[in-house]
Amino acid sequence: EPEVTQTPSHQVTQMGQEVILRCVPISNHLYFYWYRQILGQKVEFLVSFYNNEISEKSEIFDDQFSVERPDGSNFTLKIRSTKLEDSAMYFCASIQAHLEAFFGQGTRLTVV
Amino acid sequence: KNEVEQSPQNLTAQEGEFITINCSYSVGISALHWLQQHPGGGIVSLFMLSSGKKKHGRLIATINIQEKHSSLHITASHPRDSAVYICAVRSEGGKLIFGQGTELSVKP
Repeated sequence: EPEVTQTPSHQVTQMGQEVILRCVPISNHLYFYWYRQILGQKVEFLVSFYNNEISEKSEIFDDQFSVERPDGSNFTLKIRSTKLEDSAMYFCASIQAHLEAFFGQGTRLTVV
Repeated sequence: KNEVEQSPQNLTAQEGEFITINCSYSVGISALHWLQQHPGGGIVSLFMLSSGKKKHGRLIATINIQEKHSSLHITASHPRDSAVYICAVRSEGGKLIFGQGTELSVKP
């Protein structure tokens, strides 16, 4: 069974610090996504990535956020200067064309 | 108005009951996903539909493209089915748009 792997599972960071969340999507998938879920709220789209570039991003995905696929396997989400309201569960997903979506287990980010 | 609306938002059932969760959407889609999220947060894909009906064990998912509506049914529900069930549509641009989720609790 293929799986999407996210690390770390939980990260605590000081406000204003940079964090990098890592995802290893399924190797032959083409579409990669980051989502977040603030506690008690619904899952929100952040950004989609296709063919090594951002294909779509939400209003949440401002200049503090960036994504990279540095080595063809990892897919990272960087938050440059974290704010308290960035505390959430961050999910990575990968999709192969019109097939199932696979989600990672998520990274719980806590900004203090 | 949300592009993806689920109902009900919360549902409590007795073990063995037949359960239906509904999803309506207002955008053009290429596919619809039903997802399950357990306490602790992990999301698992249950179904991906672009037409008709799919069945997996006690779970059945249907979609009516003309009416922009999908349903997830659980037959002979069990306490281990307790979770949040999320409908997510894949827009024609490719992104997944999530509903707010339905929190299901099945009592023994």
